[in-house]
Amino acid sequence: QQQVKQSPQSLIVQKGGISIINCAYENTAFDYFPWYQQFPGKGPALLIAIRPDVSEKKEGRFTISFNKSAKQFSLHIMDSQPGDSATYFCAAVTQGGSEKLVFGKGTKLTVNP
Amino acid sequence: NAGVTQTPKFQVLKTGQSMTLQCAQDMNHNSMYWYRQDPGMGLRLIYYSASEGTTDKGEVPNGYNVSRLNKREFSLRLESAAPSQTSVYFCASSAGGPYWGRAFFGQGTRLTVV
Repeated sequence: QQQVKQSPQSLIVQKGGISIINCAYENTAFDYFPWYQQFPGKGPALLIAIRPDVSEKKEGRFTISFNKSAKQFSLHIMDSQPGDSATYFCAAVTQGGSEKLVFGKGTKLTVNP
Repeated sequence: NAGVTQTPKFQVLKTGQSMTLQCAQDMNHNSMYWYRQDPGMGLRLIYYSASEGTTDKGEVPNGYNVSRLNKREFSLRLESAAPSQTSVYFCASSAGGPYWGRAFFGQGTRLTVV
């Protein structure tokens, strides 16, 4: 049973556009929601993360929106660039360790020049 | 600053052979993980170690064993490799506690079982 559901599986946007990736979870014990970015041939790297007591977190062109009541969160990439082309994973965990770090299935983002 | 180091980077095994994937971290992290990545399946947790001396099963532990040799090293063993274990394996570590979700990943081991 997949604990974090991610969509879409793939996404193509034009340079300068907005990329939006959505995730949903069921386990209300999760209290930390990171996003990871993975380039081909590399391991995933932490991009940005949010806690459920915050509705939005922004770091540069990357923003996480969090809807606790709907148990959904999303990643927005503003002014998308070809260098943003990568696979993005949402994840969830409990900081106390009762639930382990689990990942969505990933979204392959392609930003066309 | 090496971070998380995995060896080997590539490996081809015949069905039934055994091998051990090595992982070491130099960040003094308490927690270490093994994930496998398959197309369309995301990252699935095989085993994890919350601290030195402890290990526990993740989502897909069948066919694998692990050893937390010390705080730095966490190895993954395939006793009798099967084609279904063809995958990219990632080791990761985190400081644990309030930093549980901030994991650092190695470069991966691409394993093919024929």
